[in-house]
Amino acid sequence: EDQVTQSPEALRLQEGESSSLNCSYTVSGLRGLFWYRQDPGKGPEFLFTLYSAGEEKEKERLKATLTKKESFLHITAPKPEDSATYLCAVQARDMRFGAGTRLTVKP
Amino acid sequence: NAGVTQTPKFRILKIGQSMTLQCTQDMNHNYMYWYRQDPGMGLKLIYYSVGAGITDKGEVPNGYNVSRSTTEDFPLRLELAAPSQTSVYFCASSYDRWETQYFGPGTRLLVL
Repeated sequence: EDQVTQSPEALRLQEGESSSLNCSYTVSGLRGLFWYRQDPGKGPEFLFTLYSAGEEKEKERLKATLTKKESFLHITAPKPEDSATYLCAVQARDMRFGAGTRLTVKP
Repeated sequence: NAGVTQTPKFRILKIGQSMTLQCTQDMNHNYMYWYRQDPGMGLKLIYYSVGAGITDKGEVPNGYNVSRSTTEDFPLRLELAAPSQTSVYFCASSYDRWETQYFGPGTRLLVL
């Protein structure tokens, strides 16, 4: 069965302290891997799509990378406004979501 | 463009009551989806639609019904509400099956 696992469940960083979030997956026939940001009480907001191993995408302080078994969301010099839950989803036969990583950035 | 809109934002239901969650998109997307999100769990697909008049079950369809009479609207119906249906419900849409899904703001439902 297709599975998506995100780690850690929660991450607390100081402002400026860079780190990475992990999304590991086991699916047959990956068509795409998606990263979303979700603020409390709101719907997921699209960040990136990655289609093949070795691909990288960047947006401001965020950089997403993809291998054959996992994806990383690297956050460089985070700010308090980066605090949110980050969701990973893989598209194979259907879309499967991970449980998310709740990121808190302290000033 | 408003994107994907959902109503209501929040609702309390008694066990056995019924209600319809509304979802509308103005992006002319063919595909529409309903998910539920429970604490500590990933989003779970309830139903999806590939176009007007065509719907199919997702991972957790029991207790729900859908219809799609227009491209824009995809309502989700709960016939006999149960406490297990307490959750946050998200509607999403995409142009094609394999493309990015865009989400609405969600409906928080509490069944007591």
